[in-house]
Amino acid sequence: TQLLEQSPQFLSIQEGENLTVYCNSSSVFSSLQWYRQEPGEGPVLLVTVVTGGEVKKLKRLTFQFGDARKDSSLHITAAQPGDTGLYLCAGAGGGGADGLTFGKGTHLIIQP
Amino acid sequence: EAGVTQFPSHSVIEKGQTVTLRCDPISGHDNLYWYRRVMGKEIKFLLHFVKESKQDESGMPNNRFLAERTGGTYSTLKVQPAELEDSGVYFCASSQGAFSYEQYFGPGTRLTVT
Repeated sequence: TQLLEQSPQFLSIQEGENLTVYCNSSSVFSSLQWYRQEPGEGPVLLVTVVTGGEVKKLKRLTFQFGDARKDSSLHITAAQPGDTGLYLCAGAGGGGADGLTFGKGTHLIIQP
Repeated sequence: EAGVTQFPSHSVIEKGQTVTLRCDPISGHDNLYWYRRVMGKEIKFLLHFVKESKQDESGMPNNRFLAERTGGTYSTLKVQPAELEDSGVYFCASSQGAFSYEQYFGPGTRLTVT
């Protein structure tokens, strides 16, 4: 059984600070996705990383896939109140369109 | 382009009753997935359709759950009879083709079994 450990579970910081969320596993994933979820809504896809060592940037968000494809991180620079939400990492074990294994999520609060 | 839609958004039923959840994937998406999140736990995979065929149903909890995707379009997930532990949020997701990593989620159906 593949597991994804996400940390921290809760994070509350001031506007303008930087933060990093981690997603770790002992298993290798063919791809890893980061989602953001708002209350009462479904997860919204932010990014997919596929290649070991890959780095993708989405404005102030930087996503990295570990070299061994077992871990990933999400770094937010100069966090803003609009970044508040639940961030989820999810991995696909096999190739392509397999069902995803999710982490429990990181509840992020950015205080103005 | 319309996203993944789910109906109903909320359902409250009594233990022993039957409930049917519906998911309409993004048009043209061959892959359709069902997931569930119970309180305090992570989102867990239930099953995966490719068109009308079940590709992987390893996450289905037990035989009280029946999923169908007639004609390879919308899907239904029936719980019969419902138990208290079936309460949670049921999400549907879809993706385009055989090698598509990116899954797009619907808003979920919150099921409460009392």
